[in-house]
Amino acid sequence: EAGVTQFPSHSVIEKGQTVTLRCDPISGHDNLYWYRRVMGKEIKFLLHFVKESKQDESGMPNNRFLAERTGGTYSTLKVQPAELEDSGVYFCASSPATGGFTGELFFGEGSRLTVL
Amino acid sequence: GNSVTQMEGPVTLSEEAFLTINCTYTATGYPSLFWYVQYPGEGLQLLLKATKADDKGSNKGFEATYRKETTSFHLEKGSVQVSDSAVYFCALRYQAGTALIFGKGTTLSVSS
Repeated sequence: EAGVTQFPSHSVIEKGQTVTLRCDPISGHDNLYWYRRVMGKEIKFLLHFVKESKQDESGMPNNRFLAERTGGTYSTLKVQPAELEDSGVYFCASSPATGGFTGELFFGEGSRLTVL
Repeated sequence: GNSVTQMEGPVTLSEEAFLTINCTYTATGYPSLFWYVQYPGEGLQLLLKATKADDKGSNKGFEATYRKETTSFHLEKGSVQVSDSAVYFCALRYQAGTALIFGKGTTLSVSS
């Protein structure tokens, strides 16, 4: 069974440009999460999808970030326009509908974003 | 609010040394507690977890005990190996349907 996959693994863009990150969760997982880690800091929650609906987007830093989950399958996270402080590693994770709050989240390898 | 505090790194040890990485938490209610590990070039993976007070999670020689009285979940291993070199994250989840809350991560480097 394939794990959580993220694309691209690394993106380098100029300030003001647009970048779109993609996450393919484990097949059948209803829950999909986006997180971000800025260098040396904690992994911060961005948002949580249940199927195609946004369950919690309280961690989205501002309206330059837009997340979608088409048909409850893969998800994209667009940053437009990118700023220097957006640099970091963006992680995606998924989990099945069952498991409650004791269940494991399965993470992708992350997409490293560098804004110059 | 809910938060996790873990010891700052990096931690540098020789092979077969004893490891402790401290983790304390602040949370409402009774959260579940986790340790995740990120090996070089890989994604985060669950190392161990504990879901109620006094539970001990263990995996790959690592252990952590959920201590409600001290709000702690310290990670220990009796004899580390070079292959344990990674970044370790303590995390909590305080109710169903919520996301994990992570600490800053501790980088462990083990030399032979």
